[in-house]
Amino acid sequence: DIQMTQSPSSLSASIGDRVTITCRASQSISSYLNWYQQKPGKAPKLLIYAASSLQSGVPSRFSGSGSGADYTLTISSLQPEDFASYYCQQSYGPPRTFGQGTKLEIK
Amino acid sequence: QLQLQESGPGLVKPSETLSLTCSVSGGSIITKTYCWGWIRQPPGKGLEWIGSICYSGNTYYNPSLKSRLTISLDTSKNHFSLRLYSVTAADTALYYCAGQDYYDRRFDPWGQGTLVTVSS
Repeated sequence: DIQMTQSPSSLSASIGDRVTITCRASQSISSYLNWYQQKPGKAPKLLIYAASSLQSGVPSRFSGSGSGADYTLTISSLQPEDFASYYCQQSYGPPRTFGQGTKLEIK
Repeated sequence: QLQLQESGPGLVKPSETLSLTCSVSGGSIITKTYCWGWIRQPPGKGLEWIGSICYSGNTYYNPSLKSRLTISLDTSKNHFSLRLYSVTAADTALYYCAGQDYYDRRFDPWGQGTLVTVSS
């Protein structure tokens, strides 16, 4: 199985901050990397697919980058509605595996 | 716009079978564009892919669950189903269904999720 390691597991930040979350795969996943946002009591929502493609309707302050085994999600200027948990997921090989999540909290 | 909705019992006894259905609206489950997946999330924990099924009927299961799992399509009702056998308390989780892009295998959209508790 491909293991996905996210860091940090939790993060405190302020409105307007630039935030970066990283995700490392246990092998190259050739940009088959997706990012999801999950708010309490809600289903995950797709933000970024194929490492850097912005899902329709997602604000442009969200961006993704990376290649090989290393990927990042960046929020350029945090808004109140961005405080949530974030998960990466590899879709390179079965089983489809998720990172353990990053909880983004208000400082 | 594609919408998914999970349904099924919220309480299952240990050793019995967990059965859930995901109803799809706004499109047909017989499509070359999507496969259909199940993902679960134990309370307070992360996400675990359970398995997926494509229009061809091909199924893809998480090896950790494969021996206890069946995912199937019902084209007449436009829904797909999950059956997990011989459940234990470790199977207590929020269960989500989701559309899975056939080409890059991203999960979107998702159902709202349904909580299944395994307890006697």
